[in-house]
Amino acid sequence: QVQLVESGGGLVKPGGSLRLSCAASGFTFTDYYMSWIRQTPGKGLEWLSSISDSGSIFYADSVKGRFAIYRDNAKNSLYLQMNSLRAEDTAVYYCARYNVYQGAYFDCWGQGTLVTVSS
Amino acid sequence: DIQMTQSPSTLSASVGDRVIITCRASQSISSWLAWYQQKPGKAPKLLIYKASNLQSGVPSRFSGSASGTEFTLTISSLQTDDFATYYCQHYSTSSPWTFGQGTKVEIK
Repeated sequence: QVQLVESGGGLVKPGGSLRLSCAASGFTFTDYYMSWIRQTPGKGLEWLSSISDSGSIFYADSVKGRFAIYRDNAKNSLYLQMNSLRAEDTAVYYCARYNVYQGAYFDCWGQGTLVTVSS
Repeated sequence: DIQMTQSPSTLSASVGDRVIITCRASQSISSWLAWYQQKPGKAPKLLIYKASNLQSGVPSRFSGSASGTEFTLTISSLQTDDFATYYCQHYSTSSPWTFGQGTKVEIK
């Protein structure tokens, strides 16, 4: 079955770094653009970044310059390198997919991984 | 950026009720709108895309409609499994794609 599984979340100090991973299975990974979306109680759901099968990348202004998305199509995996973390980056981070030919709605999400930025 | 405003923030209803949730876009997004359902501790689940298209496997009591920049999600007869939080999301043009703030459907 179609599945996305995130990992890599945890507790990190302000200014620190963390890398999130998302393992995809059950579908042809290169048929989809992949994205990271986060959720906080205060700001709700926030789209962060997307990457095409060939590596075209889009970022939200809130993370541009601090976060980097990349994918390894051979490993069916998506990553998010997060640097210069701030308290406001504390959230549950989801990976999700969309079919660019149908539009950027997210038809499959991972279970989420919690990132806590605190000293 | 396009802003999505949902109303109400919270809705109290009983099993069997007809429930309507509204989402308004700050500018035209054509029909590029999706609705999601989220239960506590779970990821959002796609219900509707392109304003009115039901995602495969979603019960037919869910429907979506659009009028200009106003979009509605209707649950024709609320079931126990439907108590959750619902979000809209626009995906018109290019990023950033934004979500509404959510509507929590509670038991009355």
